[in-house]
Amino acid sequence: DQQVKQNSPSLSVQEGRISILNCDYTNSMFDYFLWYKKYPAEGPTFLISISSIKDKNEDGRFTVFLNKSAKHLSLHIVPSQPGDSAVYFCAASAKTGANNLFFGTGTRLTVIP
Amino acid sequence: DVKVTQSSRYLVKRTGEKVFLECVQDMDHENMFWYRQDPGLGLRLIYFSYDVKMKEKGDIPEGYSVSREKKERFSLILESASTNQTSMYLCASRTGTGSPDTEAFFGQGTRLTVV
Repeated sequence: DQQVKQNSPSLSVQEGRISILNCDYTNSMFDYFLWYKKYPAEGPTFLISISSIKDKNEDGRFTVFLNKSAKHLSLHIVPSQPGDSAVYFCAASAKTGANNLFFGTGTRLTVIP
Repeated sequence: DVKVTQSSRYLVKRTGEKVFLECVQDMDHENMFWYRQDPGLGLRLIYFSYDVKMKEKGDIPEGYSVSREKKERFSLILESASTNQTSMYLCASRTGTGSPDTEAFFGQGTRLTVV
């Protein structure tokens, strides 16, 4: 059963506009959340993360928002650039238990010049 | 600069062959993972290891085994390759339970085709 869900398989955005990627999770034990970016034929690269003690974390053009009560997080990219076109994966982990990351199915972002 | 290195970028193997995928990390991480990525299915965990000679099954371990004889190296073994194991395989490493709020670092991936 998928514990981390990305319900939008794809998203297209005009260059310069905001991209919003969404992620939902079901396991209330998750307390650390990450976003990864993946280009074709390459491994995922870490983008930004957020701990459950926060509701927002910002790094340059990237901001992650966490709504614990809704078990929902989102990644905002402002302004979007053509080089942001990639597949974005949401991931989550819990302090207790194993140290593995649970990944969503990914959202393919296309930024149109 | 941290590094996770997978031994091959592309592999083509025949059905029934035994296949070894190697992964090495230079960060002294306790945890290492093998995922496969398939369209529409995201990254699915095959096996992980939290210490030398220790291993745990992930979500899809059937048809695979692993070996971790040294801390820096984690091998994925396809005992008898089948066409449904054609996929992108990704190795990752992550620090141990002492610092849980850390990212995992991925290798560049191995695109395996079984014919």
